[in-house]
Amino acid sequence: DAGVTQSPTHLIKTRGQQVTLRCSPKSGHDTVSWYQQALGQGPQFIFQYYEEEERQRGNFPDRFSGHQFPNYSSELNVNALLLGDSALYLCASARSHYGYTFGSGTRLTVV
Amino acid sequence: KQEVTQIPAALSVPEGENLVLNCSFTDSAIYNLQWFRQDPGKGLTSLLLIQSSQREQTSGRLNASLDKSSGRSTLYIAASQPGDSATYLCAKKWGGTSYGKLTFGQGTILTVHP
Repeated sequence: DAGVTQSPTHLIKTRGQQVTLRCSPKSGHDTVSWYQQALGQGPQFIFQYYEEEERQRGNFPDRFSGHQFPNYSSELNVNALLLGDSALYLCASARSHYGYTFGSGTRLTVV
Repeated sequence: KQEVTQIPAALSVPEGENLVLNCSFTDSAIYNLQWFRQDPGKGLTSLLLIQSSQREQTSGRLNASLDKSSGRSTLYIAASQPGDSATYLCAKKWGGTSYGKLTFGQGTILTVHP
C-alpha cells in the first residue's frame, strides 16, 4: 500500500516564477493538507482540502493556492516566487480521526 | 495564540541511555497529539498518536504520554541506539474536529553516539 506520494522531489525556480507541486494521498484517505518547513523549523500549516474545497487556511498570502481533485489528489501552486519561499513542502493525508501520514516532501529552492 | 514548545532543542546521549523528550502546548482544547520522526532532508514518519481520551501509547521502545490538564506530552525512548538519531517533532491537533490542522513544535534534535 503506497503512502503519500509527492512530486517532484526537488525543484529549482527563479524569483517571480510560478510553481506547482503535486500530492497523491494514501489509499483510503480523503483529506489533504499542505505544510511549509523552513530549515531548522517545524512545519507550518498552509491549507487543507476536503471534498475538493479549501476547509482551513494558515497564515499564508494569496500567492499560495491549491486544488483537490475528485480522486483526492491535490496540487499546491505558488505564484510570484520569493527567495523566502525556499523550503521543504510537505503533503499530509488523513481519514476521519486517525493521525496524519506525511509524504517525503518537495524541496523547493528559489534563486 | 496556539503554541507548541519542545524542550530540549538538542540532545546528545551515549548509546543505551533512556531519554525523555518534552512537548508543551497552550490551550487544553486538544483533539489528539502526534509524535513524528524526521531524518535530515526527509519527510515525517509518524511514531505515536495519542487521542485526547487516552493517557499514553506505546510502540516498541517508545512510549508517549499525554496530560491535558498541564498541557504536556512526553516521548520516552528506552535503550537508545545510534539509529534513533533524528529530529523528533510533536504536533497537536486542535479543537473538536477530526480534520483540524496540526501545530508543530520546533523539534528536538537527538544524537545518539556509539
